[in-house]
Amino acid sequence: DTEVTQTPKHLVMGMTNKKSLKCEQHMGHRAMYWYKQKAKKPPELMFVYSYEKLSINESVPSRFSPECPNSSLLNLHLHALQPEDSALYLCASRRGTGPYTEAFFGQGTRLTVV
Amino acid sequence: DAKTTQPNSMESNEEEPVHLPCNHSTISGTDYIHWYRQLPSQGPEYVIHGLTSNVNNRMASLAIAEDRKSSTLILHRATLRDAAVYYCILNAYSGNTPLVFGKGTRLSVIA
Repeated sequence: DTEVTQTPKHLVMGMTNKKSLKCEQHMGHRAMYWYKQKAKKPPELMFVYSYEKLSINESVPSRFSPECPNSSLLNLHLHALQPEDSALYLCASRRGTGPYTEAFFGQGTRLTVV
Repeated sequence: DAKTTQPNSMESNEEEPVHLPCNHSTISGTDYIHWYRQLPSQGPEYVIHGLTSNVNNRMASLAIAEDRKSSTLILHRATLRDAAVYYCILNAYSGNTPLVFGKGTRLSVIA
């Protein structure tokens, strides 16, 4: 199994809603990542988890709250988002934290904030 | 992170080889060179990576200049399925080093 599974695939939420994005991998990878991608732009790094601990937060607003409950699962909790937060949210994982391994990406959750 | 420079776009004919260039003149000695591609409406996909020597896999070849200041991704026979944005990324050997994406090259393949 070399997949990173993200759910849901599409999400529409109001600005007062609370929702969560889920990312799962069963490859035993110990590094997991959240990226945000706006249309026709490259993915932008948001958060990095190493061995279930948050190691990098790229100055992301607090309305995005990541969580890593175990080594296979990564969540992104969303609250009070703005329309400009509409984007494709990508999850990725890697076997370790070094640069000599490949990253596996999920297909993303396309989020629309109304 | 050291910076990479890629052409914004390239075009290729189907069934011909494609050479995608990447300049990284500020690369450090322990930076790995990674290539990923992103097909329309999909997440990025790993293509290949290397440190100093040229690398081959089932998808592509990576040619790294002797001074490591540039590299070239080679698709041996482009197909319509290879139309994508190709990202060249330097990944530092320092703690947890996430992939940081630049603008990439949009490759169009003409039938």
